[in-house]
Amino acid sequence: AQSVTQLDSHVSVSEGTPVLLRCNYSSSYSPSLFWYVQHPNKGLQLLLKYTSAATLVKGINGFEAEFKKSETSFHLTKPSAHMSDAAEYFCVVSERTDKLIFGTGTRLQVFP
Amino acid sequence: GAVVSQHPSWVICKSGTSVKIECRSLDFQATTMFWYRQFPKQSLMLMATSNEGSKATYEQGVEKDKFLINHASLTLSTLTVTSAHPEDSSFYICSATAGGPAGWQETQYFGPGTRLLVL
Repeated sequence: AQSVTQLDSHVSVSEGTPVLLRCNYSSSYSPSLFWYVQHPNKGLQLLLKYTSAATLVKGINGFEAEFKKSETSFHLTKPSAHMSDAAEYFCVVSERTDKLIFGTGTRLQVFP
Repeated sequence: GAVVSQHPSWVICKSGTSVKIECRSLDFQATTMFWYRQFPKQSLMLMATSNEGSKATYEQGVEKDKFLINHASLTLSTLTVTSAHPEDSSFYICSATAGGPAGWQETQYFGPGTRLLVL
């Protein structure tokens, strides 16, 4: 069965410093992996997705993630945090179906 | 593009009443729509998947007679919580896919959610 583990429920960074949000997955097959962001009172927005092409995936707003099969990880990074990045981030896995399995989320706080 | 709306954004109702939530794809035709439930500080849990003109497929543990889903057109799906009780209070989110060559890898576009409070 597929599952996703987000290792940190909260991450706090200063504006201008790097962001790292960690995600590990479990899947019996080659999965598709996604990162979604949820801002208050707004719908979930797709940041990026991995679908068995290039292992380094670039997304919107300067975010990127690297698929590492040996480590079963799909960590989200950004070189320099911006205040507007403060939100809830979800790592998501899908396995040969349109059913999405969500992680428990990581709340990112950005301090000035 | 690819905007999904939900209405209402907030609803408060009395225990025992029914509540209908609408999910619309505004600028694309949604072949498949999904309904999720999100408890406070928890993740999204898929409740059901619906295809236009077909009966919804419910996830294990979701009562289909309590959570009625109708997907009557390619731009509208509704979720009706029947005989709502306080434990049904939650944040309900819908999503939609446009279909296409990527099949199950097509991106899901999410609505902003509907917060339901049952008194």
